[in-house]
Amino acid sequence: KQEVTQIPAALSVPEGENLVLNCSFTDSAIYNLQWFRQDPGKGLTSLLLIQSSQREQTSGRLNASLDKSSGRSTLYIAASQPGDSATYLCAVSGNQFYFGTGTSLTVIP
Amino acid sequence: NAGVTQTPKFRVLKTGQSMTLLCAQDMNHEYMYWYRQDPGMGLRLIHYSVGEGTTAKGEVPDGYNVSRLKKQNFLLGLESAAPSQTSVYFCASSDSGRETETQYFGPGTRLLVL
Repeated sequence: KQEVTQIPAALSVPEGENLVLNCSFTDSAIYNLQWFRQDPGKGLTSLLLIQSSQREQTSGRLNASLDKSSGRSTLYIAASQPGDSATYLCAVSGNQFYFGTGTSLTVIP
Repeated sequence: NAGVTQTPKFRVLKTGQSMTLLCAQDMNHEYMYWYRQDPGMGLRLIHYSVGEGTTAKGEVPDGYNVSRLKKQNFLLGLESAAPSQTSVYFCASSDSGRETETQYFGPGTRLLVL
């Protein structure tokens, strides 16, 4: 069974700092990996999707990388803002979707 | 274009009661999913559907039933609610196509079983 782990569970940074969130998975037989954002009491919003044949994807201040062979992905957020405060989840797609437990990010003004 | 909607937003049940959660999507997606989210455990797949009239079990299907009579709707039923089913339930939908499959989520239903 696929296991998805996200470290750290919580992170607090001052505004303007660059930061990296980590995701690891145990089974490299995946179709894609996605990063989602979840605001308190809300559903999930897809941020970036990396297909299994790709190494990275970028959207604005966000950059996600994928190393399938080592079972790792990172989400890089540049010049963090208070509005980035949320929980970030990664999910891998194999025979079904498997989600990590998320990293709760707080950006302090 | 409302995306994915869920009804109700919040519900309190007593042990043994039954209820149905409704999920609707207006994006003509083939695939639909029901997840539950519990603290420290992430989202876990309950059941899913790859098209109208089809359903399949996910990771934690026990105690739940589903139906997909219409392409745009996916119903999740609890026949006899238990306190262990207290959770936040999310519905999602996606187009078929594994490599580029992005899931779109509803806002969630908070269920409390006393």
